[in-house]
Amino acid sequence: AQSVTQLDSHVSVSEGTPVLLRCNYSSSYSPSLFWYVQHPNKGLQLLLKYTSAATLVKGINGFEAEFKKSETSFHLTKPSAHMSDAAEYFCVVSDDQAGTALIFGKGTTLSVSS
Amino acid sequence: NAGVMQNPRHLVRRRGQEARLRCSPMKGHSHVYWYRQLPEEGLKFMVYLQKENIIDESGMPKERFSAEFPKEGPSILRIQQVVRGDSAAYFCASSPEAGGFYEQYFGPGTRLTVT
Repeated sequence: AQSVTQLDSHVSVSEGTPVLLRCNYSSSYSPSLFWYVQHPNKGLQLLLKYTSAATLVKGINGFEAEFKKSETSFHLTKPSAHMSDAAEYFCVVSDDQAGTALIFGKGTTLSVSS
Repeated sequence: NAGVMQNPRHLVRRRGQEARLRCSPMKGHSHVYWYRQLPEEGLKFMVYLQKENIIDESGMPKERFSAEFPKEGPSILRIQQVVRGDSAAYFCASSPEAGGFYEQYFGPGTRLTVT
């Protein structure tokens, strides 16, 4: 069965410093992996997705993630945090076999201070 | 192209009443998914529907909950005899095809409060 573990429930950074949000996954098949962002009282927006092409995936707003099969990880990074990045981030897995239900991690709250 | 639309955005129901949540997928999308987000938790899959068919309802409680996606009109998630534990945000998503390769586009959610 597929599962996702987000290693930090809360990450705090200063504006202009790097962001690292950690995610480990478990999947029986070749997974598709996603990062979604949720701003307060809003819906979810896709940041980026990995679907077995390039292992380094670039997304919107300067975010990127690297798929590491040997470590079963898909960490999200950004070189320089902006105040507007403060939000809830979800790591998500979907297996290619069924591919219907997305499996969400519990989320990481990113706080950005000035 | 309008995104996924959900209404109402906020819904308050007393215990024992019925809640109806509506979802209009993006234009051209015939696959709809419902998820529930409890406080301090990630989203949990409930049900996956195509037009007039329930494909996977493995995440939906066996009692009081039902979903439909008729040939015409929005998808409906129906909760009968609501209880306080049903208070949550309910998100609908749609995709053009099924399968993990395809992104699911999410609506803004309906926040249900049961008093």
